[in-house]
Amino acid sequence: AQTVTQSQPEMSVQEAETVTLSCTYDTSESDYYLFWYKQPPSRQMILVIRQEAYKQQNATENRFSVNFQKAAKSFSLKISDSQLGDAAMYFCAYGNRDDKIIFGKGTRLHILP
Amino acid sequence: NAGVTQTPKFRILKIGQSMTLQCTQDMNHNYMYWYRQDPGMGLKLIYYSVGAGITDKGEVPNGYNVSRSTTEDFPLRLELAAPSQTSVYFCASSDRGGLRQPQHFGDGTRLSIL
Repeated sequence: AQTVTQSQPEMSVQEAETVTLSCTYDTSESDYYLFWYKQPPSRQMILVIRQEAYKQQNATENRFSVNFQKAAKSFSLKISDSQLGDAAMYFCAYGNRDDKIIFGKGTRLHILP
Repeated sequence: NAGVTQTPKFRILKIGQSMTLQCTQDMNHNYMYWYRQDPGMGLKLIYYSVGAGITDKGEVPNGYNVSRSTTEDFPLRLELAAPSQTSVYFCASSDRGGLRQPQHFGDGTRLSIL
């Protein structure tokens, strides 16, 4: 069975600095998707970035980028120029071709002014 | 745009009661999902549907039932509420191709079983 592990329950970063959130996963499948979701206090689940496993190039979305290491089964999220609005729970998730998605337990990110 | 709408937003049930959590989407999405989020945890998939008339179990289906009679609606039924079902429930939808498309989430339903 697939698993997703986020080893950092909480992290803090100074405003305007860069922070990296870690995620590892375990799977025997070769074709899958990886996601980072943001959940602010409003409870909304917001897709931050998505990576398809067959693509070697790391996905980027403005200040958000990933470091996808397929062999190591690692999928970290880098947030550059952190802003107060980035404070939230961040969930790493794995999705397979059966369209099932598995979430990690999350990392709570605090932004220090 | 309404997107994914969940009702109610909050509900308190007594043990053994039943209820239906409603979810409707106006984006004509084929795929719909129900998740639960326990305190301090990530989301766990309860049931999902790839189209009207088709449903399948996710990771934690016990104690729940779903139906998908229309593309728009995907209700989640709790038949005999138990304290272990206290959680926040999220409905989501995505277009053709399932997870190859972004999932759109509702605002969640906070359910307490006392």
